[in-house]
Amino acid sequence: GAGVSQSPSNKVTEKGKDVELRCDPISGHTALYWYRQSLGQGLEFLIYFQGNSAPDKSGLPSDRFSAERTGGSVSTLTIQRTQQEDSAVYLCASSLDARGYEKLFFGSGTQLSVL
Amino acid sequence: DQQVKQNSPSLSVQEGRISILNCDYTNSMFDYFLWYKKYPAEGPTFLISISSIKDKNEDGRFTVFLNKSAKHLSLHIVPSQPGDSAVYFCAASLAPNFGNEKLTFGTGTRLTIIP
Repeated sequence: GAGVSQSPSNKVTEKGKDVELRCDPISGHTALYWYRQSLGQGLEFLIYFQGNSAPDKSGLPSDRFSAERTGGSVSTLTIQRTQQEDSAVYLCASSLDARGYEKLFFGSGTQLSVL
Repeated sequence: DQQVKQNSPSLSVQEGRISILNCDYTNSMFDYFLWYKKYPAEGPTFLISISSIKDKNEDGRFTVFLNKSAKHLSLHIVPSQPGDSAVYFCAASLAPNFGNEKLTFGTGTRLTIIP
């Protein structure tokens, strides 16, 4: 399809395990963002990419979280040694460019549940 | 520190009437404001935006009003339709050199349109 694609749509994991969340942005979009929404909270910024570079990682909650983007396209968000407080919906979005106010196009998210 | 606040978690409005969703912010450096709409199991979608140099922007049934002195914005939907039932997120971006990479979202308001 032409939209932002995220996989898996749902992930249940045990505390302490590592998880990888994938995002396929819209073709041609140079900017890619990761947000998460915990229960009852707003969308929390995690990290953004302009091309393959991540100018701002300030939103990553801890060093257990990392993300990469390759080929200016697909991005993977990795959470190591998952904790119960990591349970949330992880949303990926892309836009033509990070600067300015291009519309963000969001994927449907990955619902992560850490037991 | 919630810099963008949506104090009403939910709102119910009769079909055909006006829906008014409110948003307050604390950071006077915010320069650009957006509303996103989210249906269950989908990612948020862009609805309407406004620059701080304006006090009103209209797009069909949707109008956003900005009161900078009060650090308040509102989204008006008139007439409200059943398809408008969704969660609405307010978002703000910093000036002057930042764009999407610094979007700060509110916690959302769930709007229910009663047929």
